[in-house]
Amino acid sequence: DVKVTQSSRYLVKRTGEKVFLECVQDMDHENMFWYRQDPGLGLRLIYFSYDVKMKEKGDIPEGYSVSREKKERFSLILESASTNQTSMYLCASIRQGSQYFGPGTRLTVL
Amino acid sequence: GENVEQHPSTLSVQEGDSAVIKCTYSDSASNYFPWYKQELGKGPQLIIDIRSNVGEKKDQRIAVTLNKTAKHFSLHITETQPEDSAVYFCAATPGQAGTALIFGKGTTLSVSS
Repeated sequence: DVKVTQSSRYLVKRTGEKVFLECVQDMDHENMFWYRQDPGLGLRLIYFSYDVKMKEKGDIPEGYSVSREKKERFSLILESASTNQTSMYLCASIRQGSQYFGPGTRLTVL
Repeated sequence: GENVEQHPSTLSVQEGDSAVIKCTYSDSASNYFPWYKQELGKGPQLIIDIRSNVGEKKDQRIAVTLNKTAKHFSLHITETQPEDSAVYFCAATPGQAGTALIFGKGTTLSVSS
């Protein structure tokens, strides 16, 4: 069974804080992705990684960075959280060409 | 780049009826088309996918059809049940298997009993 886990289901942070969102997969997958999901805008790709220490910008990378030090873990970093980063964040991983999602982290920035 | 359009944005059906959701894509190089179901408060769940060398694929009550010439693909749910109520997303990718997906905006399906 494919398993992608995210560190928090709900998170509340203040403007200007540094925020870490963690994603872990236990299936030895190379490809991992971070999306954000907003009403009316669907899922938009923030960053992705094809391997350890490799990262590629997606469609909306501004205000975000990522880290992939180990194959199973892909972290999304908000260097200085802003209210417009309030959203649902979804991590995904690839198995045999199919993309599987974690449960999501709903982040609120006050 | 790739663009995926999804229709309708909302769909209401009676239990037992069929539901059809349609997507079009712009990049003729796209070759992988998954469908996801998202229930409230959960991440999207892959329910079926189709690759460009196949025209139709079926899994129990759900089926997906692909028309590469017209660049559109559709999700068909037969004998709908209240637990089918959710948001459904289509997606496409012009890259190799394992590359990033481009998603449609989603369809909210409501099945009333």
